[in-house]
Amino acid sequence: GDSVTQMEGPVTLSEEAFLTINCTYTATGYPSLFWYVQYPGEGLQLLLKATKADDKGSNKGFEATYRKETTSFHLEKGSVQVSDSAVYFCALSERTGANSKLTFGKGITLSVRP
Amino acid sequence: GAGVSQSPSNKVTEKGKDVELRCDPISGHTALYWYRQSLGQGLEFLIYFQGNSAPDKSGLPSDRFSAERTGGSVSTLTIQRTQQEDSAVYLCASSLTGTSSTDTQYFGPGTRLTVL
Repeated sequence: GDSVTQMEGPVTLSEEAFLTINCTYTATGYPSLFWYVQYPGEGLQLLLKATKADDKGSNKGFEATYRKETTSFHLEKGSVQVSDSAVYFCALSERTGANSKLTFGKGITLSVRP
Repeated sequence: GAGVSQSPSNKVTEKGKDVELRCDPISGHTALYWYRQSLGQGLEFLIYFQGNSAPDKSGLPSDRFSAERTGGSVSTLTIQRTQQEDSAVYLCASSLTGTSSTDTQYFGPGTRLTVL
């Protein structure tokens, strides 16, 4: 079945550091890929997505490129801020029958210190 | 417009009791999903509704769990004879059609269930 693997956490960075969070996936077809973020005390919200190979999703300075050859969707940001401290989830959606459910990675906690 | 809403935000119950969790999706969204977020299992799919079609119940962990969606809008997740391992945050999401993997799912704030 489908699966998503994220790098182990937690991750602690200083403000303005470069961020990479690795994500790889296994799927039988052509999934869409997502990064969701959960800020402290808040619900899950979409950060960015890519729906086909070589697409780049971007939002709030974050970017991720859908790499079919390496089955990866790594999240990057050039300069993190304290306000980026949150839990980040990589996910895929692949239509199975009539269901386009999300399959999530385990999530990684990012802490950014001033 | 209004996002996905869920109630209650917190629920504490005793082992063996039944609980009902409610989800109000975004107006006009035909697809509705329930997920569970727990420390041990991460985020897991539970059940999916799309329009008037029969729901996909493949993620429900046991027959103590059931859900319905009335009038294609509000959904209720019911857990009967709750157990301590049911303690988790229950998340509801909706999307415009649910028939495409490219659809974005929008999540509610969740209901935190604690079974004593």
